[in-house]
Amino acid sequence: AQRVTQVQPTGSSQWGEEVTLDCSYETSEYFYRIFWYRQLFSGEMVFLIYQPSFDTQNQRSGRYSVVFQKSFKSISLVISASQPEDSGTYFCALSELSYNQGKLIFGQGTKLSIKP
Amino acid sequence: EAAVTQSPRSKVAVTGGKVTLSCHQTNNHDYMYWYRQDTGHGLRLIHYSYVADSTEKGDIPDGYKASRPSQENFSLILELASLSQTAVYFCASSDDREGTETLYFGSGTRLTVL
Repeated sequence: AQRVTQVQPTGSSQWGEEVTLDCSYETSEYFYRIFWYRQLFSGEMVFLIYQPSFDTQNQRSGRYSVVFQKSFKSISLVISASQPEDSGTYFCALSELSYNQGKLIFGQGTKLSIKP
Repeated sequence: EAAVTQSPRSKVAVTGGKVTLSCHQTNNHDYMYWYRQDTGHGLRLIHYSYVADSTEKGDIPDGYKASRPSQENFSLILELASLSQTAVYFCASSDDREGTETLYFGSGTRLTVL
């Protein structure tokens, strides 16, 4: 069975610091992708970055990167030089390639607050 | 920029009433989805569609129907609304051609069933 777990319900950091948000998942598939989305206070969901299981290289996109530990079924989102605008709720989501596209299993989310 | 619009933005419904949530996308995407978010939780897939006039059940389809009359429009229908269906509903679309399964979300519809 698929499951995505984000054990940190909340997090906080100071402006300019690096932030790490953790996610673990369960899947029996070999090919899958892990996505990170941010939910703004307005409710809007914004795509940040994704990691394919077959790529051993940690993905990067601007100030976002991931630390992918495939053997532990764990992935962390790293936000460098955090800013107050980064505040929001961050969701990790699993997509298994044996399933049809877009069927994402979401974690519970981590509400992040960046203090000025 | 992808555009997915949902209507209404919020709605109050009575138990046992019929509710229709609408979603319109201008992205020319084949894939559309309805997700539900309960307070303090992640999103769960209700229904999805890959082509007009066809819908598929997601992980929590009970109590919901979906309709995809055209590529651009995807509706979620609650025939007999219940208190447990109070939640925020998100519509999303994606394009297989992009190859990343990135979903573009609407702003959500906050549904309160009394």
